[in-house]
Amino acid sequence: GENVEQHPSTLSVQEGDSAVIKCTYSDSASNYFPWYKQELGKRPQLIIDIRSNVGEKKDQRIAVTLNKTAKHFSLHITETQPEDSAVYFCAASTRNTGKLIFGQGTTLQVKP
Amino acid sequence: NAGVTQTPKFQVLKTGQSMTLQCAQDMNHEYMSWYRQDPGMGLRLIHYSVGAGITDQGEVPNGYNVSRSTTEDFPLRLLSAAPSQTSVYFCASSRDREQPQHFGDGTRLSIL
Repeated sequence: GENVEQHPSTLSVQEGDSAVIKCTYSDSASNYFPWYKQELGKRPQLIIDIRSNVGEKKDQRIAVTLNKTAKHFSLHITETQPEDSAVYFCAASTRNTGKLIFGQGTTLQVKP
Repeated sequence: NAGVTQTPKFQVLKTGQSMTLQCAQDMNHEYMSWYRQDPGMGLRLIHYSVGAGITDQGEVPNGYNVSRSTTEDFPLRLLSAAPSQTSVYFCASSRDREQPQHFGDGTRLSIL
């Protein structure tokens, strides 16, 4: 079945630096790739998503890139701020099954 | 709109007891799903539904049942609770399988 691997599991950066989180997926039929942010004790919330017909999408300091050939996608956060500290999850789904499978999560710490 | 409402927020059960976690959404979303979240393991899909009357298994369905008799409600039943089912449970909904999922606040379940 579908599997999503996420790396690294923890990431610590200085405020103002960039952060990159990478995910790989196993099902070549996957066509929707969202990213979620979860603050401690809160619900996951969508921060950006990308579909398989697009290679890159940007929203202010956040960008996602997709390489369908290699079956991996990445989240890029520029000019990090302390409020970016949270757990980030990638996910992948396929239209034919409808399953949305999540990666294991990355704990991002932004040091002031 | 209330969004996705989960009840209860906290529950303690004894091994062997059964219970139902409630999930309701008022956004007329077709797609609903249940996840469990355990430390270091991300969000794992238990069951999902692409519309009223249709349900399917996710990654970790054993020990759980679901039904979808209405568009609004998607209850999750634990048949005979086991300590391994101690977790935080999230319900989510979206307009369809390739749209952002809206999560509820979660149910923290402890089984002794």
